[in-house]
Amino acid sequence: EIVLTQSPGALSLSPGERATLSCRASQSISSRYFAWYQRKPGQAPRLLIYGVSSRANGIPDRFSGSGSGTDFTLTISRLEPEDFAVYYCQQYGSSQTFGQGTKVEVK
Amino acid sequence: QVQLVQSGSELKKPGASVKVSCKASGYTFTNYAMNWVRQAPGQGLEWMGWLTTDTGNPTYAQGFTGRFVFSLDTSVSTAYLQISSLEAEDTAVYYCARLNYYVADYWGQGTLVTVSS
Repeated sequence: EIVLTQSPGALSLSPGERATLSCRASQSISSRYFAWYQRKPGQAPRLLIYGVSSRANGIPDRFSGSGSGTDFTLTISRLEPEDFAVYYCQQYGSSQTFGQGTKVEVK
Repeated sequence: QVQLVQSGSELKKPGASVKVSCKASGYTFTNYAMNWVRQAPGQGLEWMGWLTTDTGNPTYAQGFTGRFVFSLDTSVSTAYLQISSLEAEDTAVYYCARLNYYVADYWGQGTLVTVSS
């Protein structure tokens, strides 16, 4: 099973700042089967990024994904108030696994 | 628009069974597989497995074999998760999610299952 390790566990930032979230896989992920989700309290997870770098429908362009092999990054260029949430990475190339989450909180 | 509407919260005693439903609308149900994901209190997301909706073929993740059963009723565009012999450790929010080329693009609102004596 591919294990995904997200860092940091929590990120304290102010609105307008840039957020950089990392996800490292225990083995190389092929075929770009990698996604990021946002989860707010009391809501279902929302797909942000799939295929490493493709934004899902309706996702603003301040969200971007990058990476390859074992190292992946989600960048939020300028944090909006609604972006404070927990973010999960996921690989779906070999079965499926999720990272443990990174909480982006208001500083 | 695509919607997945799940059944309401459940409170069950240890040893009982529960069946969670996930009703799809806004798309052709049998064209997309269905994913099941669990989130226990204070924990992250955990993949449980998925179910093809054209053939009803399930795939279960490690740790979700035996007591967990995925099923569907295509006549009402609904997928089901049944858990038998419930344990306290099964207390969690259970999500269904549509799989679009293996990525979960739309999710249900979640169903809280609480197991307590």
